[in-house]
Amino acid sequence: GAVVSQHPSRVICKSGTSVKIECRSLDFQATTMFWYRQFPKQSLMLMATSNEGSKATYEQGVEKDKFLINHASLTLSTLTVTSAHPEDSSFYICSARDAEENYEQYFGPGTRLTVT
Amino acid sequence: EDQVTQSPEALRLQEGESSSLNCSYTVSGLRGLFWYRQDPGKGPEFLFTLYSAGEEKEKERLKATLTKKESFLHITAPKPEDSATYLCAVPPNTDKLIFGTGTRLQVFP
Repeated sequence: GAVVSQHPSRVICKSGTSVKIECRSLDFQATTMFWYRQFPKQSLMLMATSNEGSKATYEQGVEKDKFLINHASLTLSTLTVTSAHPEDSSFYICSARDAEENYEQYFGPGTRLTVT
Repeated sequence: EDQVTQSPEALRLQEGESSSLNCSYTVSGLRGLFWYRQDPGKGPEFLFTLYSAGEEKEKERLKATLTKKESFLHITAPKPEDSATYLCAVPPNTDKLIFGTGTRLQVFP
């Protein structure tokens, strides 16, 4: 149980284009989903928290207009990187909190974004 | 201030050489302590949740324990496939996890 998927696993895009990453909870309903960014050999950095049907809450320093988050259902959240630039290249990981569990977060496999 | 510190930063073990990883935490009101395993290029994989001092959880060669100030992840007779980064995290509230910087474990045959 508690499986989270992400799509795509890897994406390469040109500078100035937008990229959408999907995060799905496959066997549970997730009232809250989280988006993280991870740089090589560093720990996870929380970007934003999204609750189904409401606006995402962004961490300090994260541009909400660049990283658009939508949490339209209890099993799907999307992260759109708009007008991507090479500095947006990173490993993006989502997680989901089971509505019936306490505070455990279950993570997706991650998406490697490369902007050329 | 809520804080999680992991040590050592890196650990190299010979196959079969048991050891322990440490996670020290400072949090106002413990709502659980989580251990994750992360392989390169993958998302963290959930291992254990510990809720109260004295609690222990086991899974194969891994055993997690918890005191009021720290948690240990004991690895008994590790194998090369146990090589990964091990992360611990605590939730100061329901919306966030505070992660330690992780311990990079390498097990050599």
